[in-house]
Amino acid sequence: AQSVTQPDIHITVSEGASLELRCNYSYGATPYLFWYVQSPGQGLQLLLKYFSGDTLVQGIKGFEAEFKRSQSSFNLRKPSVHWSDAAEYFCAVGARNNNDMRFGAGTRLTVKP
Amino acid sequence: DAGVTQSPTHLIKTRGQQVTLRCSPKSGHDTVSWYQQALGQGPQFIFQYYEEEERQRGNFPDRFSGHQFPNYSSELNVNALLLGDSALYLCASSLQGGETQYFGPGTRLLVL
Repeated sequence: AQSVTQPDIHITVSEGASLELRCNYSYGATPYLFWYVQSPGQGLQLLLKYFSGDTLVQGIKGFEAEFKRSQSSFNLRKPSVHWSDAAEYFCAVGARNNNDMRFGAGTRLTVKP
Repeated sequence: DAGVTQSPTHLIKTRGQQVTLRCSPKSGHDTVSWYQQALGQGPQFIFQYYEEEERQRGNFPDRFSGHQFPNYSSELNVNALLLGDSALYLCASSLQGGETQYFGPGTRLLVL
């Protein structure tokens, strides 16, 4: 069965510093991988997705993620964090026809001024 | 281009009551999925509707039921509410066969 692990519950970074959020997945076939962001009290906004091809994918708001099959990872990165990036970040794994997409427990990002 | 909309935004019920949540998918989408997000957790898949039928279901009891209308909008019904049903309920829409789901803002349900 597919599953997602986000090892870091809470991360604090200074504004302008780089960011990496970790995501490990378990899936029997080629996964479809996603990163979503959720601001307090809001729904989920899609940041980026990986289905196939180039393992480095670019998303919105300056985020990127790299798929590493050998490590079963799909880590999210941003070179310079802005205060508005403070939110909850969710990694998810899906399958073709997107039934039963599985989410990690989320990583809460705090940005220090 | 309207995104996914949900109503109501907030709801308070008491144990044993029944509740209906509503979702309108993004324009052009024909598939609707429902998720439950408990406080401090990631969303959990409840079920998915396509062509007015439930296509797949997650690990949720029969108290959770749904419906999809010919215009692709959907309802989530929860009977015999329990305190543990308190959560943010998210609706997501997509194209059948498509891999990307777009989420609405959610309905926050509080069961007292």
